[in-house]
Amino acid sequence: DIQMTQSPSSLSASVGDRVTITCRASQRISKYLNWYQQKPGKAPKLLIHAASTLQSGVPSRFGGSGSGTDFTLTISSLQPEDFATYYCQQSFSTPYTFGQGTNLEI
Amino acid sequence: EVQLVESGGGLVQPGGSLRLSCAASGFTVSGNYMSWVRQAPGKGLEWVSVIYSGGSTYYADSLRGRFTISRDTSKNTLFLQMNSLRADDTAVYYCASGGTYSSIENWGQGTLVTVSS
Repeated sequence: DIQMTQSPSSLSASVGDRVTITCRASQRISKYLNWYQQKPGKAPKLLIHAASTLQSGVPSRFGGSGSGTDFTLTISSLQPEDFATYYCQQSFSTPYTFGQGTNLEI
Repeated sequence: EVQLVESGGGLVQPGGSLRLSCAASGFTVSGNYMSWVRQAPGKGLEWVSVIYSGGSTYYADSLRGRFTISRDTSKNTLFLQMNSLRADDTAVYYCASGGTYSSIENWGQGTLVTVSS
């Protein structure tokens, strides 16, 4: 199975900050990497698929990059509604494993 | 509008069985790849299973043999049959439908399964 490792596990930031979350795959996954946002008590929401393609309706302050084994999610200027937990997921081969999550807090 | 509504969760004793359902609207389950993802209380997301439009199914290694994913095209509904349930199967189970590059674009609200005596 492909293991996904996110860092950091938690992150404290302020409104207006630029934030970067990284995700590393245990083997090459091309660009089959997705990012999700989850708020407490809610279902996850797809932010980015194919490593860098912004899902429709997602604000442009969210950006993704990477290919192969190393990927990043960047939020250019944090807004209050961005404080949540973020997960990466590989969809290169089953099982489509998730990272352990990054809790972004104030 | 795409909508996924799960049902069938609840309290079950260890060793018991439960079948989750996911009623889909706004699209056909047979024409999309459909997944189950679970989340134990206070924990991260765990991918459970997928069924592709062609009918192929795949499972998390730890669940293969106990869980079975299926669909009923006449009811436009996805199922997850869970057998030999254990305490560590306690989680919110999300039904989800696929997007580009096998991402998960649409999610249900989740149904809670509690395995306890």
